Amino acid sequence: KQEVTQIPAALSVPEGENLVLNCSFTDSAIYNLQWFRQDPGKGLTSLLLIQSSQREQTSGRLNASLDKSSGRSTLYIAASQPGDSATYLCAACDLNEKLTFGTGTRLTIIP
Amino acid sequence: DAGVIQSPRHEVTEMGQEVTLRCKPISGHDYLFWYRQTMMRGLELLIYFNNNVPIDDSGMPEDRFSAKMPNASFSTLKIQPSEPRDSAVYFCASSLTFAEQYFGPGTRLTVT
Repeated sequence: KQEVTQIPAALSVPEGENLVLNCSFTDSAIYNLQWFRQDPGKGLTSLLLIQSSQREQTSGRLNASLDKSSGRSTLYIAASQPGDSATYLCAACDLNEKLTFGTGTRLTIIP
Repeated sequence: DAGVIQSPRHEVTEMGQEVTLRCKPISGHDYLFWYRQTMMRGLELLIYFNNNVPIDDSGMPEDRFSAKMPNASFSTLKIQPSEPRDSAVYFCASSLTFAEQYFGPGTRLTVT
């Protein structure tokens, strides 16, 4: 059974700093890995999707990497802004289309 | 497209009552997923459909929960009878084959 872990559970950084969020998964037989953002009381917004054959994906100030062999993915946020404050969730997609979510990292950007 | 639509957004009901949650996926998406999110257990997949057919319902907690997808544009998740431990946010999501999932805004269910 796939298990996805995100550490730390919470992170606070000053505005303008670069930061990295971590995600690890136990079963490397994944089809893709997805990063989502969730604002309080809201649904999930897809940020980036990395196919299992890819090593990274970029969208604006966000860059996600994937290392299947070690069971790790990172989400890099450059030049953080207060609007980046949210909970970030990673999810591993297995070969049956099922997503297993991590417990999330609650990010606070301090102005 | 308006995205994934869920109704109601909030539901408060008494223990023992039947609850029906509704979802309209994005047009053209062939996968539909129902999730439950709680503080204790995080986000859990309950059931998912492919082309209106239930594929995996192993996440459905017990027989009190049932889900249907009568056509490509509508799905329901029903809880009968409801219990206080069913209180959670229920999300519906849809996707194309092996593509990113698009989530609805969720239904916040409170069972008293």
